[in-house]
Amino acid sequence: DTAVSQTPKYLVTQMGNDKSIKCEQNLGHDTMYWYKQDSKKFLKIMFSYNNKELIINETVPNRFSPKSPDKAHLNLHINSLELGDSAVYFCASRGQIATGELFFGEGSRLTVL
Amino acid sequence: RKEVEQDPGPFNVPEGATVAFNCTYSNSASQSFFWYRQDCRKEPKLLMSVYSSGNEDGRFTAQLNRASQYISLLIRDSKLSDSATYLCVVSRGNTDKLIFGTGTRLQVFP
Repeated sequence: DTAVSQTPKYLVTQMGNDKSIKCEQNLGHDTMYWYKQDSKKFLKIMFSYNNKELIINETVPNRFSPKSPDKAHLNLHINSLELGDSAVYFCASRGQIATGELFFGEGSRLTVL
Repeated sequence: RKEVEQDPGPFNVPEGATVAFNCTYSNSASQSFFWYRQDCRKEPKLLMSVYSSGNEDGRFTAQLNRASQYISLLIRDSKLSDSATYLCVVSRGNTDKLIFGTGTRLQVFP
């Protein structure tokens, strides 16, 4: 019954590989996000989608490509992984804008070797 | 200047103590303000919204000072379970984009 679920939870891979992280929410929300939390614990927004439409692209390298097949899913594909991509990636969804409540997934910890 | 700034701490306090965190923001047009809590190796969760008139939720009190562009969180009668990182969250101007501070770590000891 997890509201926002991400897979995989852990991902260890070599530099140069391509990987994907999937996210699904069952809250009926229209807006979904990807956030990156680096080793210094800074949580930075990457992308936002509203009902499958890209709303925010926060100057993320082109190697990162989000895809939203429907409003309940927002996947993140990363090409040519670099050491600096190592971080925890959080998916989140948001319903009514006024409440401001973001519901986060448990995070996907990516380690690039 | 960072959009949202917080003292990273850690704040080490005994059980029962009162502790306060401040957070400053740079965009005077910001409209929405929140405190989130993040436990170690867990996802952030909403603690409370911050309203212009200030608001209270049990042992937690949030205040907003628009003139000085800061918000605060006061925790009374600290519990061991309050140990976590507290994230200040502010909207980027009059948009729905939420910007997170780096968080203030609180450690409550027996």
